[in-house]
Amino acid sequence: SQQGEEDPQALSIQEGENATMNCSYKTSINNLQWYRQNSGRGLVHLILIRSNEREKHSGRLRVTLDTSKKSSSLLITASRAADTASYFCATDNNNDMRFGAGTRLTVKP
Amino acid sequence: DAGVTQSPTHLIKTRGQHVTLRCSPISGHKSVSWYQQVLGQGPQFIFQYYEKEERGRGNFPDRFSARQFPNYSSELNVNALLLGDSALYLCASSLRGGATEAFFGQGTRLTVV
Repeated sequence: SQQGEEDPQALSIQEGENATMNCSYKTSINNLQWYRQNSGRGLVHLILIRSNEREKHSGRLRVTLDTSKKSSSLLITASRAADTASYFCATDNNNDMRFGAGTRLTVKP
Repeated sequence: DAGVTQSPTHLIKTRGQHVTLRCSPISGHKSVSWYQQVLGQGPQFIFQYYEKEERGRGNFPDRFSARQFPNYSSELNVNALLLGDSALYLCASSLRGGATEAFFGQGTRLTVV
């Protein structure tokens, strides 16, 4: 069964704008990861945040984690058309990861 | 350095048939996980193997099985295919398994007709 739930399901913005995606999960975690997927192909790892971290940055990406609310957010700043993809959060579950249904981001040039 | 490779990339099978999907992890990675992704959904965990032993199994019927070889490559087998098995099957490798950074292959697109 899926653990995380991303919100919104779809997001459409103009190039240069910021995009924020949210993830909620149900059980306690050790870490949470965000992945990106282009056109139904393989997933690419973006960032991992541990349960004792509250915020993490990587280039134009900023991830926050609120374990009390069981939620995380992914912010992409100054978006580009090439950021168009589906974004998934994944939570650890002992020996595997559980993914949400994803947010489909469209960045219009 | 090669990434995770999966074969075949596309496959069409008939209901009731059997299918074998293959995955070669990144060199040095000892863990392989399999996921099923139905169109419009997120990946669903099927199996994880580490050091040739099954370490985790998702909520899939016994028609699904897998194994890991001494060179850490892996096979996913599905028997008695159903139309609902049509999906993108993703393989991911990682250094030591668990919920660590995983590297995904491009997947095998299975269509059951």
